[in-house]
Amino acid sequence: EPEVTQTPSHQVTQMGQEVILRCVPISNHLYFYWYRQILGQKVEFLVSFYNNEISEKSEIFDDQFSVERPDGSNFTLKIRSTKLEDSAMYFCASSADRGMQTQYFGPGTRLLVL
Amino acid sequence: KNEVEQSPQNLTAQEGEFITINCSYSVGISALHWLQQHPGGGIVSLFMLSSGKKKHGRLIATINIQEKHSSLHITASHPRDSAVYICAVEGSNYQLIWGAGTKLIIKP
Repeated sequence: EPEVTQTPSHQVTQMGQEVILRCVPISNHLYFYWYRQILGQKVEFLVSFYNNEISEKSEIFDDQFSVERPDGSNFTLKIRSTKLEDSAMYFCASSADRGMQTQYFGPGTRLLVL
Repeated sequence: KNEVEQSPQNLTAQEGEFITINCSYSVGISALHWLQQHPGGGIVSLFMLSSGKKKHGRLIATINIQEKHSSLHITASHPRDSAVYICAVEGSNYQLIWGAGTKLIIKP
């Protein structure tokens, strides 16, 4: 069964460093998403992506965040200058289309900023 | 005020019991999603519904659009059902607004 994969599973970085989280969505899906979950808190929407551009983004997704689909299979989330409060689990998801669609989630990347 | 409220926050039950988890929301939605988050963190979509009722195995989800309320039921609960169950609503901008989750523990 097709699945969404994410790498790395865990990442530890120093404050101020850049990190890139990688995702491979399900191959025939068109919409891609990033969510984050700070430990003990609810999941929060960061950004959705379609046709090589951002479709929607939340207030959390400020200038230090960017997304890219560099090669037609990978979908990346870059955090330019990490802060302590960026420590969280980051989930990638994909769906076949937009709106009222089941989203399929990757296993997550646990990011720890020291 | 949270746009998506779930109750209870925590639920412990014995194996075999009928489980009900509730979700109320305050915004207009196009769809409501029920998801399961395993202890390791992984998230699995259980249901996506915009009206009526859906059933998958021992899981049943219902929604009442007029009352802005949905329920997730588990029949004949089993310890492997232990997880966090999350309600998320999809608004007109297609973003998912997530509830805080209900932590379910089923004891053998």
